[in-house]
Parts: sequence; C-alpha cells; structure tokens
Amino acid sequence: DGGITQSPKYLFRKEGQNVTLSCEQNLNHDAMYWYRQDPGQGLRLIYYSQIVNDFQKGDIAEGYSVSREKKESFPLTVTSAQKNPTAFYLCASRGDSPLGTQYFGPGTRLLVL
Amino acid sequence: AQSVAQPEDQVNVAEGNPLTVKCTYSVSGNPYLFWYVQYPNRGLQFLLKYITGDNLVKGSYGFEAEFNKSQTSFHLKKPSALVSDSALYFCAVRDRLGYQKVTFGIGTKLQVIP
Repeated sequence: DGGITQSPKYLFRKEGQNVTLSCEQNLNHDAMYWYRQDPGQGLRLIYYSQIVNDFQKGDIAEGYSVSREKKESFPLTVTSAQKNPTAFYLCASRGDSPLGTQYFGPGTRLLVL
Repeated sequence: AQSVAQPEDQVNVAEGNPLTVKCTYSVSGNPYLFWYVQYPNRGLQFLLKYITGDNLVKGSYGFEAEFNKSQTSFHLKKPSALVSDSALYFCAVRDRLGYQKVTFGIGTKLQVIP
C-alpha cells in the first residue's frame, strides 16, 4: 500500500449524516484520486485532483465532495445526498511523470446503519 | 471513450500450472496498460505496466503480460501458479493525451487450486 494511508478502515453512517474519509500520502505526488468499488463493477472514479486547490468531478461525483488544501491530503465527504453509499472506497496518488503509476491506499469500507 | 474488458469473472487453475488472465482494451491512440492485484479488504497493488518497447512486460511476483496491438489485448500470465496468487486482478488502460484518465476493468477472480 506504499506511502498512502486511509482512515478509518471501517466507517458507519447513519441516515442523513455526512461522513468524511481521510486520505494522506507522503509520496510527494501532485495527483490524487478517489474511487468507489462495488462487487462486479470494478473501480469507478469519484473525484480527482491534479494539484493543490484544484479538483475535478469523475464519473460518479453526485453525493460526494472533496477538498485539496494540502498536497498530502485529499479527504472525501460522503453527503446525505448519496443514497447508496455502502461500498469500498479507495484513494490513489500518482507522480508527476506522464509515465507515472497510480498507487493505492488500503481502503475504507463504508456501511450504512 | 476508452474501455477495458475482462471477459472472465473467474479463472481456476491448478497449482503449478500456467495461468492466463485476459484483458482487451479500447483507447484513442497508443495506450498505457496496467495490471493490479487486490487481496480481500485491501487496496490495489501494482503488478506491471506497458508503456512502450518490448511487447512482453515482466512484473512483480513472477507475473508477465503480453501487449498485442493488433488484437488490442494485454493478457496477464505466469508460468507456474501458486496458491498465494489467488486474488482479484484488475486490468487498466490510460490514454496518453490530456488528463490521462485511467479506466479499470471489472476484475477477474483468480482461484489457484492446491
């Protein structure tokens, strides 16, 4: 899992509650990503950020929000607007080189109470 | 739009036998291609990538992959499977233009039978 940490490992959300997933990297990577993984659907891109203070929506951004105030950190908030949040959430980062590889954190499993 | 197809949900192979996990892709221009492995409740681990050059790419844990441009394929292979290779394998493609978005396949579960 390299130099990317995600916390918590498990997270429980109540109806109508916003929750925030943490992602931190010490790889000095500019680009960071959030993916959602559901069984049989692979990974789907939620948001990405190529540089501090800038981020873009991915394929399934509705019901999610992010911030990128520091290079090392890219937290994801799952809002109450996300009606089906139960999934495994993966954070990744990539170095500057066009040949750079994405490296992934260990993931956070979000469950709804 | 770019896409990745992993046609097999699951591949079963006996320990010691060669294994192949299939991947085909669609992308504008020349692709960057990747294979990742995921163990239960863990993040994805990078195995290998194709950027340019030799069509046969060697990666971690004895895995290799063969890039075939005419068939738009990037199959993952290993000469002799281990029980510990049992995991979920993802193929991914990235284009070389613009943002370089990565698209992942849905994954193939590899089961190595002792």
